Amino acid sequence: AQSVSQHNHHVILSEAASLELGCNYSYGGTVNLFWYVQYPGQHLQLLLKYFSGDPLVKGIKGFEAEFIKSKFSFNLRKPSVQWSDTAEYFCAVSLTGYSTLTFGKGTMLLVSP
Amino acid sequence: SQTIHQWPATLVQPVGSPLSLECTVEGTSNPNLYWYRQAAGRGLQLLFYSVGIGQISSEVPQNLSASRPQDRQFILSSKKLLLSDSGFYLCAWKQGPSTGELFFGEGSRLTVL
Repeated sequence: AQSVSQHNHHVILSEAASLELGCNYSYGGTVNLFWYVQYPGQHLQLLLKYFSGDPLVKGIKGFEAEFIKSKFSFNLRKPSVQWSDTAEYFCAVSLTGYSTLTFGKGTMLLVSP
Repeated sequence: SQTIHQWPATLVQPVGSPLSLECTVEGTSNPNLYWYRQAAGRGLQLLFYSVGIGQISSEVPQNLSASRPQDRQFILSSKKLLLSDSGFYLCAWKQGPSTGELFFGEGSRLTVL
């Protein structure tokens, strides 16, 4: 069965530290990849997405992610986190041409000031 | 612009009572519609999705059902709630069957006592 794995359930960082959240998927076909973020008390919103082309994609608020096909990975990165990045982050995958997204279990990021 | 509304935002129901959560999308036509359940540490679980009026696909057999009586309305129901139905329910939409991001509502928190 298709699945999405996020390596860390909880991450605690100090402001200005670098961030990398891991995401691996197990799909056999061409995939579309997403990172969503849920800030405290807010609804889920898209951070960035990859459909095709340059495997390094840039999203909002200084986030980026790299698609490595050989590793079935789509890790999220940010060089220097801020307190306002405290949120839960979800990786999601869909197969090209399919209507549904499969989500990982999420990573709760806490950034201390 | 497109908007998505869910209600009620919070609901407390006794075991065995019925449930109806509603979701409406505005500003678009013939969207794909989705119901997810979000549980702490378990990510987002796809419950139902619909590609058109009266067309419902169930991902997880359980005590819930979904209906799409109108193009932009999606309803999640139960005849008799169980304790295990407690959770945070999210409605989402995307434009048509093609690859694309999901847009989420603000969610409905259901507590079954």
